[in-house]
Amino acid sequence: QVQLVQSGAEVKKPGASVKVSCKASGYTFSTSAMHWVRQAPGQRPEWMGWINAGSGNTKYSQKFQGRLTIARDTSASTVYMELSSLMSEDTATYFCGRSGGGPWGPSDYSDYWGQGTRVTVSS
Amino acid sequence: DIVMTQSPDSLAVSLGERATVNCKSSQSLLYLSNNKNYLGWYQQKPGQPPKLLIYWASTRESGVPDRFSGSGSGTDFTLTISSLQAEDVAVYYCQQYYDTPLTFGQGTKVEIK
Repeated sequence: QVQLVQSGAEVKKPGASVKVSCKASGYTFSTSAMHWVRQAPGQRPEWMGWINAGSGNTKYSQKFQGRLTIARDTSASTVYMELSSLMSEDTATYFCGRSGGGPWGPSDYSDYWGQGTRVTVSS
Repeated sequence: DIVMTQSPDSLAVSLGERATVNCKSSQSLLYLSNNKNYLGWYQQKPGQPPKLLIYWASTRESGVPDRFSGSGSGTDFTLTISSLQAEDVAVYYCQQYYDTPLTFGQGTKVEIK
């Protein structure tokens, strides 16, 4: 069965970077794609970006351009999300979500999700 | 960015009764070349990730009970729970994936009356 397992909770100081991993299993990783979505407490989910797991092509939300890097390691079936120059407003739970329709582009829903990684930014 | 607006923000429905959640987009989500609406519905319970219920506006995800249905086209969409069960208490979000950045509605909290 499809599973996405994310790395554990992080506490970071303002200005630091955080890297969250999402390990996939139960399907062919290299012919898939992944979204990253975050959700601040009590807020709606917010889309951050997308990666084609096979080609490594990415698409980022303009909001995070310059601060966000999404990458993958096909040998480990793992996708990474790194956010730099952290601010208190980046405190949120970060989710990976598999593209349900395949790797063709970011215009796609997410059919399986990781359990979430809580990131707290505090001095 | 495409703005997604849901109504109501919350609703309380008796067990076994119908619950209806509405979602309106600031521009059409209908892609004319394939006649598909790029709209999904998710259910989220506290401490859990969103769960996909409906995609392409009306296609039920595998394993989702048939009391959940989606309808609508263009800019106006509806999620209907035909007979509310206790386990349906959750927040429901619509999401457009027509264009990046993908965007979500503000959520509708469904409770038992």
